[in-house]
Amino acid sequence: AQTVTQSQPEMSVQEAETVTLSCTYDTSENNYYLFWYKQPPSRQMILVIRQEAYKQQNATENRFSVNFQKAAKSFSLKISDSQLGDTAMYFCAFLPPPEGQNFVFGPGTRLSVLP
Amino acid sequence: GAGVSQTPSNKVTEKGKYVELRCDPISGHTALYWYRQSLGQGPEFLIYFQGTGAADDSGLPNDRFFAVRPEGSVSTLKIQRTERGDSAVYLCASSSGTGASPLHFGNGTRLTVT
Repeated sequence: AQTVTQSQPEMSVQEAETVTLSCTYDTSENNYYLFWYKQPPSRQMILVIRQEAYKQQNATENRFSVNFQKAAKSFSLKISDSQLGDTAMYFCAFLPPPEGQNFVFGPGTRLSVLP
Repeated sequence: GAGVSQTPSNKVTEKGKYVELRCDPISGHTALYWYRQSLGQGPEFLIYFQGTGAADDSGLPNDRFFAVRPEGSVSTLKIQRTERGDSAVYLCASSSGTGASPLHFGNGTRLTVT
């Protein structure tokens, strides 16, 4: 069974600074997908970024980028130029092949951006 | 619709009662998921539909939990003989069900069993 670990229950960062959230996972699969979701106090989960395991290039989405280390089974999220609106819970998620499997989520990291 | 809609947004019920939670997915999305999220934790998988059929119901905790999606669109999660431990936020998500399609979540239903 796949598992996802997020070892940082809480983190804080000053506005405009950079922060990195860690995620590791355990799987015997070779091809899979990884995601970062954000959950603000409004409760709705919002997709931040995704990565296909067969792609070596790290995904980027504006201020958000990942450091995907397949051999180490690590998938960290870097947020640059942090903004107050980035304050939220962040969940790392794993989607195994084939298509149509269920997503496995980590326990989350609570990020606070301080003014 | 514009997004995934879940109703009600909050539900308070007494222990032992029956509840139904509704999810209206994004139009055209064939895949629909139910997750349960306890306070301070990540979403826990309950059940996944592809079309009208439950492709994976391995996350349902026991036979008090049941979900249907009779026409391949709206889904209802049904909980019988509710217990205080069922209190949580129940999240619904849908996707196009192809490739690495991301999940699109609703705002969830907060269920409180007193």
